Amino acid sequence: DAGVIQSPRHEVTEMGQEVTLRCKPISGHDYLFWYRQTMMRGLELLIYFNNNVPIDDSGMPEDRFSAKMPNASFSTLKIQPSEPRDSAVYFCASRPTSGGSSTDTQYFGPGTRLTVL
Amino acid sequence: EDQVTQSPEALRLQEGESSSLNCSYTVSGLRGLFWYRQDPGKGPEFLFTLYSAGEEKEKERLKATLTKKESFLHITAPKPEDSATYLCAFSGGSNYKLTFGKGTLLTVNP
Repeated sequence: DAGVIQSPRHEVTEMGQEVTLRCKPISGHDYLFWYRQTMMRGLELLIYFNNNVPIDDSGMPEDRFSAKMPNASFSTLKIQPSEPRDSAVYFCASRPTSGGSSTDTQYFGPGTRLTVL
Repeated sequence: EDQVTQSPEALRLQEGESSSLNCSYTVSGLRGLFWYRQDPGKGPEFLFTLYSAGEEKEKERLKATLTKKESFLHITAPKPEDSATYLCAFSGGSNYKLTFGKGTLLTVNP
């Protein structure tokens, strides 16, 4: 089975530009998570969805960040306008339906390395 | 406040030299304690989930253990291919978020 798919794998853009990151979760998984990873702060949860509905966006750093999940197989994370401090690796993860703590395990995609100049 | 701390930040071993990585956590109502492995340029790869104090799980040269305050990842006779960053995380309470530690960078020299 295909794992979590993310695109693009690398993105280089200039400050002020709009950036859109994409994620396809594992089929059948109805939770989707967006994380950001930096050397200073490690892995931080930005937002997560359940059945395409945003549940917790308390980790979204600013209004410049937005995320959508229009259907069960696709999500986007958008940064507009981008700033150099947004440079990081962004990961998407998914997990199956809640059925006890055994399903809390999340499966990660390969990440998108974003560089904002 | 729920939090997780991993130590050491970095560990360098010789091939065959066994050691342990530590994950200390504070959480109200632990649901699960997770270990992931992350190779450079890749996403975290799931290794283990532990649910209750006293539980142990093994996979090849790795064994994870759990107490009420800590988890250990024991590496027995490591090989260079075990070199990676090992991440610890927990889920707790009624939400499904994972809170991650900053990881331990393990380097195994041949």
